[in-house]
Amino acid sequence: KNEVEQSPQNLTAQEGEFITINCSYSVGISALHWLQQHPGGGIVSLFMLSSGKKKHGRLIATINIQEKHSSLHITASHPRDSAVYICAVPNYGGSQGNLIFGKGTKLSVKP
Amino acid sequence: DVKVTQSSRYLVKRTGEKVFLECVQDMDHENMFWYRQDPGLGLRLIYFSYDVKMKEKGDIPEGYSVSREKKERFSLILESASTNQTSMYLCASSLRDRATIGGYTFGSGTRLTVV
Repeated sequence: KNEVEQSPQNLTAQEGEFITINCSYSVGISALHWLQQHPGGGIVSLFMLSSGKKKHGRLIATINIQEKHSSLHITASHPRDSAVYICAVPNYGGSQGNLIFGKGTKLSVKP
Repeated sequence: DVKVTQSSRYLVKRTGEKVFLECVQDMDHENMFWYRQDPGLGLRLIYFSYDVKMKEKGDIPEGYSVSREKKERFSLILESASTNQTSMYLCASSLRDRATIGGYTFGSGTRLTVV
């Protein structure tokens, strides 16, 4: 079973700061998900990536398959980026389509 | 706009009550999942279903059961609610294909409080 570790668990930043959230996993995967959960509960998918880097606005996700590590970066952070960020990988020992989730990084961006 | 709909955002129930949490998806997804989310523990899988009338236990099935009579609907049942089942419950659905985790969609969550 894949193990997923995220760091840090909590992160407080000032508006405008560059933010990095890290995710490591133990078993080789085909792709990794970054998810965002705002207060109130709903989860949305930010990225799915299997190699290299993806960029969407101020969000950048990178993955190193050999090192089993991914990072989520936020440039020029803003209070509206405050949320819980979760990485997820396929659970190859489980059902088809099932994911294993990191415990999440709670980000708070202060104005 | 495709989506996963959970019937309630907030629920308060009494200890011992039978509780039904409903989840409906309109994407014709084969897989459906129920998770609970607790501070410091992240998302934990309760049950999943990969087809109508099929179900499999996840990591924490004790105290829960599920029903999937139609492809679009997956219900989570707390047979006799207890205070340790106070949590955020999230439903999700996905395509069957194991090779990709695209098409994985979550509901908005139900925050259940058992008093």
